[in-house]
Amino acid sequence: EIVMTQSPATLSVSPGERATLSCRASQSVSSNLAWYQQKPGQAPRLLIYAASTRATGIPARFTGSGSGTAFTLTISSLQSEDFAVYHCQQYNNWPPMYTFGQGTKLEIK
Amino acid sequence: EVQLVESGGGLVQPGGSLRLSCAASGFIISTYDMHWIRQAPGKGLEWVSAVGTIADTFYPDSVKGRFTISRENAKNSFYLQMNSLTAEDTAVYYCARGGTLDKWKEYFDVWGRGTLVIVSS
Repeated sequence: EIVMTQSPATLSVSPGERATLSCRASQSVSSNLAWYQQKPGQAPRLLIYAASTRATGIPARFTGSGSGTAFTLTISSLQSEDFAVYHCQQYNNWPPMYTFGQGTKLEIK
Repeated sequence: EVQLVESGGGLVQPGGSLRLSCAASGFIISTYDMHWIRQAPGKGLEWVSAVGTIADTFYPDSVKGRFTISRENAKNSFYLQMNSLTAEDTAVYYCARGGTLDKWKEYFDVWGRGTLVIVSS
């Protein structure tokens, strides 16, 4: 099983500043990596797939990068609605075995 | 509007069974792989099962032999039959659509709002 590790567990950032979230895979997943945003009481929402492609309707302030085992989600100029939990997910296995990181909580500083 | 709606969650005793349903609207599920993903209280996300367009199925070891996913394209719906439930199966269960640039290399591009399953005596 590919283990996904996110850091930090909690990130405190002020509105208007930049946030950088990390996700590491225990083995290479190529670019088969997605990021999701989840607000309390809501389902996750797809932000990024293929490591760096924004999903439909996702603002340009969300940027995904990386390949192999190290990935980053950068949110430039944080807005109030961006404070949430962010999950990464790999989808590189055969047979299918999808795994998520434990999540990073982005909170207001 | 593309939408998934889960139903069937509730309280069940340890060792019991439950069947979850997911109804799709705004798209035709027959051309998509469909998935169930769960989230235990205060925990991360865990993929639970997938059913492909030819009704092929996949599971992680944590539920293999206990859970069965199926689809009913005529009703634009799919299901999760859960047997031999334990307290560790307590979670919000989400249904989701597989998005992909490559078969079975999938992220989840549409999610339902979730249904809560509580396993307790």
